[in-house]
Amino acid sequence: GEEVAQTPKHLVRGEGQKAKLYCAPIKGHSYVFWYQQVLKNEFKFLISFQNENVFDETGMPKERFSAKCLPNSPCSLEIQATKLEDSAVYFCASSLPGNQPQHFGDGTRLSIL
Amino acid sequence: AQKVTQAQTEISVVEKEDVTLDCVYETRDTTYYLFWYKQPPSGELVFLIRRNSFDEQNEISGRYSWNFQKSTSSFNFTITASQVVDSAVYFCALSEGFKAAGNKLTFGGGTRVLVKP
Repeated sequence: GEEVAQTPKHLVRGEGQKAKLYCAPIKGHSYVFWYQQVLKNEFKFLISFQNENVFDETGMPKERFSAKCLPNSPCSLEIQATKLEDSAVYFCASSLPGNQPQHFGDGTRLSIL
Repeated sequence: AQKVTQAQTEISVVEKEDVTLDCVYETRDTTYYLFWYKQPPSGELVFLIRRNSFDEQNEISGRYSWNFQKSTSSFNFTITASQVVDSAVYFCALSEGFKAAGNKLTFGGGTRVLVKP
């Protein structure tokens, strides 16, 4: 598609439950990124993929967070045993190579109760 | 390590006034890219501009203009004759690394612009 599609728009989970977020990048974009936006302004990079391979995972809290980008499937970000501090908006972005502009989805608002 | 600082957290102006948003960056790379994004109240992120470190020409797009100065590591953004629809949070961002790849963005803390009618 021509837009980055993120689902669901909102996700509510009780503390300790699992949360799974999905992202369909723009067709033809080989890079996919996940960011976490907390407190409305602060962005934190989580992980990026080049096609189905992890490209940069330096921001990923590895104990509970995992992500995948499999061929012919939306990319996913999964959080096991969620904590209150995981409440945030999670943005997915995709881009062409060469540090081209990243195009963002509308985000998934995750609320942990 | 790369870092982006937007010292202004919030700016309030009256419609038709000009507003300049400051962005200062830190990087050890000689090749890097600078970006500005707009986040309106609806929450999506809208790409505005991309600049590479070798292109210091200023750019104008409608009411928007950007001033890139490597000597001061700054990439400032000016909205001329502001309108209510310009009310949003504006983020400056930096990417560095292997130039043929897709590298992560490091964002500044954002500047909230409120344009009053």
